[in-house]
Amino acid sequence: AIRMTQSPSSISASTGDRISITCRASQGIDSYVAWYQQKPGQAPKLLVYSASILQSGVPSRFSGSESGTEFTLTISRLQSEDSATYYCQQYYSYPTFGQGTRLEIK
Amino acid sequence: EMQLVESGGGLVQPGGSLTLSCAASGFTFSNYWMTWLRQAPGKGLEWVADIKGDGSQRHYGDSVKGRFTISRDNARDSLYLQLDSLRDDDTAFYYCARAGGRATYFDAWGRGTLVTVSS
Repeated sequence: AIRMTQSPSSISASTGDRISITCRASQGIDSYVAWYQQKPGQAPKLLVYSASILQSGVPSRFSGSESGTEFTLTISRLQSEDSATYYCQQYYSYPTFGQGTRLEIK
Repeated sequence: EMQLVESGGGLVQPGGSLTLSCAASGFTFSNYWMTWLRQAPGKGLEWVADIKGDGSQRHYGDSVKGRFTISRDNARDSLYLQLDSLRDDDTAFYYCARAGGRATYFDAWGRGTLVTVSS
């Protein structure tokens, strides 16, 4: 199974800040990475797929990038509603997820 | 509007069985691979199983292979998951999701149904 190592496990930031979350794949996976946002009591919501393509309706403050086997989700101009847990997922082989990053907005 | 609604969760004893359902609306159900995923309370996400639009292909995660069965009824726009030989570690929220293809990302999710395995 392809392992996705996600960091940090939690992050605290203020509104207006810019933060980045990283996932490192245990092997090459091309650009087969998606990012999700999950708020308490809700289902995950797709933000980015193919490492950098923004899902329709997602604010442009969200962006995805890649460098080799490292994938990054960046959120600019943080807003209070961005408080959530974020997960990466690879789909190069059967899907596996990172452990999640809890984002707290101070 | 696209919608997925799961049902059928509940409390079941170890070794027992349960059938989950997912009702789809707002899109052409038969055109899409559909997936079940799960999330233990306070834990991360795990892919469980998927099925091709015409039902001709099914795949399972290692932790459920031989115990769970995914199926679909395109006439009813419904997805199912039969859970047998349930274990404590099967306790989780179970989500159905629409996939863009085989083993891909998931662009629509239901709200989930909770399965609790406990004596």
